[in-house]
Amino acid sequence: QSVLTQPPSVSGAPGQRVTISCTGSSSNIGAGYDVHWYRQLPGTAPKLLIYGNNNRPSGVPDRFSGSKSGTSASLAISGLQAEDEANYYCQSYDDSLSGWHVVFGGGTKLTVL
Amino acid sequence: EVQLVESGGGLVQPGGSLRLSCAASGFTVSNNYMNWVRQAPGKGLEWVSIIYSGGRTYQADSVKGRFTISRDNSKNTLYLQMNSLRTEDTAVYYCARSSGYGTGLDVWGQGTTVTVFS
Repeated sequence: QSVLTQPPSVSGAPGQRVTISCTGSSSNIGAGYDVHWYRQLPGTAPKLLIYGNNNRPSGVPDRFSGSKSGTSASLAISGLQAEDEANYYCQSYDDSLSGWHVVFGGGTKLTVL
Repeated sequence: EVQLVESGGGLVQPGGSLRLSCAASGFTVSNNYMNWVRQAPGKGLEWVSIIYSGGRTYQADSVKGRFTISRDNSKNTLYLQMNSLRTEDTAVYYCARSSGYGTGLDVWGQGTTVTVFS
């Protein structure tokens, strides 16, 4: 079971807007740690999509945006395109009794209908 | 070009050992936070270990006491020494760079596959 909780799947039609949630707790997102988002196509390495909660690396379209509030974060994808179909992961940091860790969400499969 | 290339994966029996390597080019390993992340077949991403630029290391609870992260500055290479391997360690292992806190894992290798079979 992942420390960060994501919905297993989301879907949307081309052109629509979808959001993917990432729910944590007071020892990770709620503690003020940044949230990052990655996209992974089958058989390939993950790629950084959003860093520092709401920043896009060079080359990532502005259709992708991130937000964070309290113990949760969200990734929004607008103007959905067929090539957006992929797995998406959130990532943060956790500082609990067992020590400091990098933590990932369980991943969300986006299906473009 | 900024690049990470992993090697060293393979087949090993439970209780065995492997050492993974991650050769970096286009940047200096010792100036960055370097991570190992793994992905079991059909599963999500699992963070394994990190080594900071200052040398401090952290590991996931699932590998603590068995896996050791290190680097060779002269070779600009990251390593993961894996001992006492278990079947649940079977995964694709990625090395990934974080150029600082708040930047995320911005460079990833292509991954190397470790299979622990009984």
